[in-house]
Amino acid sequence: GAGVSQSPSNKVTEKGKDVELRCDPISGHTALYWYRQSLGQGLEFLIYFQGNSAPDKSGLPSDRFSAERTGGSVSTLTIQRTQQEDSAVYLCASSLGLAGPNSYNEQFFGPGTRLTVL
Amino acid sequence: AQSVTQPDIHITVSEGASLELRCNYSYGATPYLFWYVQSPGQGLQLLLKYFSGDTLVQGIKGFEAEFKRSQSSFNLRKPSVHWSDAAEYFCAVGAPSGTYKYIFGTGTRLKVLA
Repeated sequence: GAGVSQSPSNKVTEKGKDVELRCDPISGHTALYWYRQSLGQGLEFLIYFQGNSAPDKSGLPSDRFSAERTGGSVSTLTIQRTQQEDSAVYLCASSLGLAGPNSYNEQFFGPGTRLTVL
Repeated sequence: AQSVTQPDIHITVSEGASLELRCNYSYGATPYLFWYVQSPGQGLQLLLKYFSGDTLVQGIKGFEAEFKRSQSSFNLRKPSVHWSDAAEYFCAVGAPSGTYKYIFGTGTRLKVLA
């Protein structure tokens, strides 16, 4: 009965390295969202999944960012060749399936992964 | 483009005082509106949401919000603030139907004085 979990909780990396951030949604939640929270910037939408497919990738900042979801469950956000401006808290959220247009279910958020790029 | 504005970056109130956090949105139709709270070291939690119907909605922890179409606002209120309410509050809008993209404001950080 756990909530959304994310790992690692903190990640420090060097500029140019690749990082993978993991999200485990609440069991049974078919919708999954990734956001980026920078200081004073609010939450920036990155991508969402319905099942394993990502209908909207428009929020991904560049082609260095990618995400996948397997088995309708775990999702991984990958950032290649990290840059200092990628430093932020990356939040994952999940919700019940999207039953159709205008179906905005409550999102349950994980604690986030704090990424620091040196 | 749709947007959400939270004009107050920081607000400080005394414990027991009333609170109002402002949220304005820009959207062509009646949006779906949310307020979330992020307490220190914790994930975001939904306080309340508005989809349709009664424009005054009640949420958890004694919060309420009122949707005012004429002002494009969805302000969050609480009659008497408790020290545990110190947190960051985010207003969010459900984007056009079919995209399921939520647009969040930049947040208002609430400080409560004892």
